[in-house]
Amino acid sequence: DVVLSQSPLSLPVTLGQPASISCRSSQGLVHKSGNTYLSWFQQRPGQSPRRLIYNVSNRDSGVPDRFSGSGSGTDFTLKISRVEAEDVGVYYCMQGTHWPPYTFGQGTKLEIK
Amino acid sequence: EVQVVESGGGLVQPGESLRLSCAASGFIFANYWMSWVRQAPGKGLEWVAHMDQDGSQKNYVDSVKGRFTISRDNAKNSLYLQMNSLRAEDTAIYYCTRDNYGVDWFDPWGQGTLVTVSS
Repeated sequence: DVVLSQSPLSLPVTLGQPASISCRSSQGLVHKSGNTYLSWFQQRPGQSPRRLIYNVSNRDSGVPDRFSGSGSGTDFTLKISRVEAEDVGVYYCMQGTHWPPYTFGQGTKLEIK
Repeated sequence: EVQVVESGGGLVQPGESLRLSCAASGFIFANYWMSWVRQAPGKGLEWVAHMDQDGSQKNYVDSVKGRFTISRDNAKNSLYLQMNSLRAEDTAIYYCTRDNYGVDWFDPWGQGTLVTVSS
């Protein structure tokens, strides 16, 4: 199974400051199709997960442009350019290239410092 | 509006069975692979199972193989998860979601349904 390792697991950030979450895969995530099926999800307290980014860097409709995804191969990053209060929650990366099973990272808890 | 709504959760004893349902709307359900994902209390996300559009392909995480069965009824726009021989470690919120690569992959998620396995 593909293991996704996120860091940090806890991320205290001052409002208005940038934040970055790393997701490293135990295997390369380029699919035979040429696409890389790596997504990022946000789970606010008490809510269901919500997808933010798909295929490494494609931002979902309605997601603020302060969120961006990047990376290739085995190393991926979610960046928030300026953290706002509504960004508090847990962020997960997920891979869909090698399955079964699909796998998630452990989650990174973002809080306001 | 694209929507999935899970139901069927509840409190059961170890060894018992439960059937979860997922009602889909706002999209052509029959065109989509569908997945179940779970989240134990205070823990992360774990993919459980998925199936293709006509049921010819089904895959499961190792921990539920032989105990859980995923199925669907395209005429009713519904996905199911039959859970047998339930264990305490199956306690979780269960979510369903679309599973076609691209813009629809793992989007959206419903509110989930809570399964509690306890004596």
